[in-house]
Amino acid sequence: QAVVTQEPSLTVSPGGTVTLTCGSNTGAVTSGHYPYWLQQKSGQAPRTLIYDTSNKHSWTPARFSGSLLGGKAALTLSGAQPEDEAEYYCFLSYSEAWMFGGGTKLSVL
Amino acid sequence: EVQLVESGGGLVQPGGSLRLSCAASGFTFSDSSMTWVRQAPGKGLEWLSFISSSSSIIYYADSVKGRFTVSRDNAKNSLYLQMNSLRDEDTAVYYCARSCGSSWFCYWGQGTLVTVSS
Repeated sequence: QAVVTQEPSLTVSPGGTVTLTCGSNTGAVTSGHYPYWLQQKSGQAPRTLIYDTSNKHSWTPARFSGSLLGGKAALTLSGAQPEDEAEYYCFLSYSEAWMFGGGTKLSVL
Repeated sequence: EVQLVESGGGLVQPGGSLRLSCAASGFTFSDSSMTWVRQAPGKGLEWLSFISSSSSIIYYADSVKGRFTVSRDNAKNSLYLQMNSLRDEDTAVYYCARSCGSSWFCYWGQGTLVTVSS
């Protein structure tokens, strides 16, 4: 069974840049996995930031961007704000299977 | 304004059943695919099920296949999740999400808590 991997935790300074990654134990993550990135703040429902690798929703702040990097999906946050402190989940599609990663807890300190 | 409101959660004994509902408003429900996702207390997100706008395509996660059934009533703008043979590990907040374009998770409800315990 596929396993989606994410860094358990990362820290970024306010105004700094950080990249979260999303890997798969089946091999390289490609655009064919249609990677998503979701943000969930404490006590709230998730919010989708990125879909299909790099597409943004209308509510996605410009400082977030999605890409493929070194065989993984990546979410880059450029110019971190205190309100970006949250849990971030990636989501991958496989043939007849779909799953979230375990999440990355991002601290802005 | 797009709204998704889940209901039907509560306390149920192991082996019991529960039917969750997701009431949709503010968009053309019959044009949107829908997804169920859950989150156990203090844990991450788990994708459960997908249903296309016409119910012609349905997918389930292995963890719930054969126990959970997703359905929808486009005339009532409602999505359902029938959950049978519930286990302790099914305890979670259950979210419904609406698709838009190629995005499966465009909008999310606030979730309903299901607790499976004796």
